Amino acid sequence: DGGITQSPKYLFRKEGQNVTLSCEQNLNHDAMYWYRQDPGQGLRLIYYSQIVNDFQKGDIAEGYSVSREKKESFPLTVTSAQKNPTAFYLCASGTGGGGNTIYFGEGSWLTVV
Amino acid sequence: ELKVEQNPLFLSMQEGKNYTIYCNYSTTSDRLYWYRQDPGKSLESLFVLLSNGAVKQEGRLMASLDTKARLSTLHITAAVHDLSATYFCAVATSGTYKYIFGTGTRLKVLA
Repeated sequence: DGGITQSPKYLFRKEGQNVTLSCEQNLNHDAMYWYRQDPGQGLRLIYYSQIVNDFQKGDIAEGYSVSREKKESFPLTVTSAQKNPTAFYLCASGTGGGGNTIYFGEGSWLTVV
Repeated sequence: ELKVEQNPLFLSMQEGKNYTIYCNYSTTSDRLYWYRQDPGKSLESLFVLLSNGAVKQEGRLMASLDTKARLSTLHITAAVHDLSATYFCAVATSGTYKYIFGTGTRLKVLA
């Protein structure tokens, strides 16, 4: 089935540890995105990538890092520098530009204790 | 910097009633999107509006776009309980791949 797969769905980590969230898509989309959602809040853009080997910071990039080595994959690392990492993380992809919508994965819940 | 605001933030309405959710954005754009999110779930695409005056309808939901006023509306007709969810609008800055989301409107339809 075509779609966007995020893993893990639930993740618990101790404070001070880095954690990597996976996002894979088989939709042949050029653009990929990471958003953060806090409980009862909207979505905030962390990073986005228009093409392989290129990515741009969103509005809240501090404490996060990404890579885009393959078209299908856009992993997000939450580093120990991120002060409040507990949140719901959503990956999205789209054809980019041209007015097309972006589609979301099922999300990953990260809890840091 | 592009900002997207929605109102109201919370909406509790009776079944059978009509209501409108508003989405305002701060810079020029002709690409606006509406999504639905159920509690604890991801976002589902509802509408894509790509030009001034665009109107899209699906069931009891109708979305419109006024690019001159930088305003989109999501109108709910004869609400039913199944429409209870959080609704987000998103705007993509012209010429970029950057999609910015509004604050969301949490809708609760009471039986």
